[in-house]
Amino acid sequence: GAVVSQHPSRVICKSGTSVKIECRSLDFQATTMFWYRQFPKQSLMLMATSNEGSKATYEQGVEKDKFLINHASLTLSTLTVTSAHPEDSSFYICSANNPDRGSYEQYFGPGTRLTVT
Amino acid sequence: DQQVKQNSPSLSVQEGRISILNCDYTNSMFDYFLWYKKYPAEGPTFLISISSIKDKNEDGRFTVFLNKSAKHLSLHIVPSQPGDSAVYFCAASSGNQFYFGTGTSLTVIP
Repeated sequence: GAVVSQHPSRVICKSGTSVKIECRSLDFQATTMFWYRQFPKQSLMLMATSNEGSKATYEQGVEKDKFLINHASLTLSTLTVTSAHPEDSSFYICSANNPDRGSYEQYFGPGTRLTVT
Repeated sequence: DQQVKQNSPSLSVQEGRISILNCDYTNSMFDYFLWYKKYPAEGPTFLISISSIKDKNEDGRFTVFLNKSAKHLSLHIVPSQPGDSAVYFCAASSGNQFYFGTGTSLTVIP
């Protein structure tokens, strides 16, 4: 079955530094990947839609200069949190559509726990 | 391999009837299970959850059942309403990581 991986699974960084999170589709090509941030009530907020070979589409209220998304290949999208602050501490999850399986089936990564000290 | 599976990609139910969405998992270490509802172009929103120490949790029209021996959980919606039409994801958690199913698209027919 299709698997999406994320790396790292957890990361601790200091304020002001940048952190890169990778999202990979392991056995299918994903032209579109999605980045979410999980809030305490456990809803996932869609941050941006990452399209291979083009710029990401950011949701309203998400700072595109702070959360840099690069979808460099059909199997890899990266989210870089730049100049991290403690309020950026959260759980980040990516997902990907397998175009061969329809538009509503999404494969989620296991998530990355970011802690900014 | 997928540790959480939703084997029915879609489901259609008449308004007023019961909707049953199923989810199977493989990892016996999962200790917390969740259901999310998702509309197009939005992120999934949390619906209901259950701890592995329970076998049933109810919230209004939504009930989640957990069968640990079968590694199976289900979401019952009764009565179903047209506004329930959405994609439903189940998820399982172990420690700090979440594993999602691929979703079931529910259509409630008026």
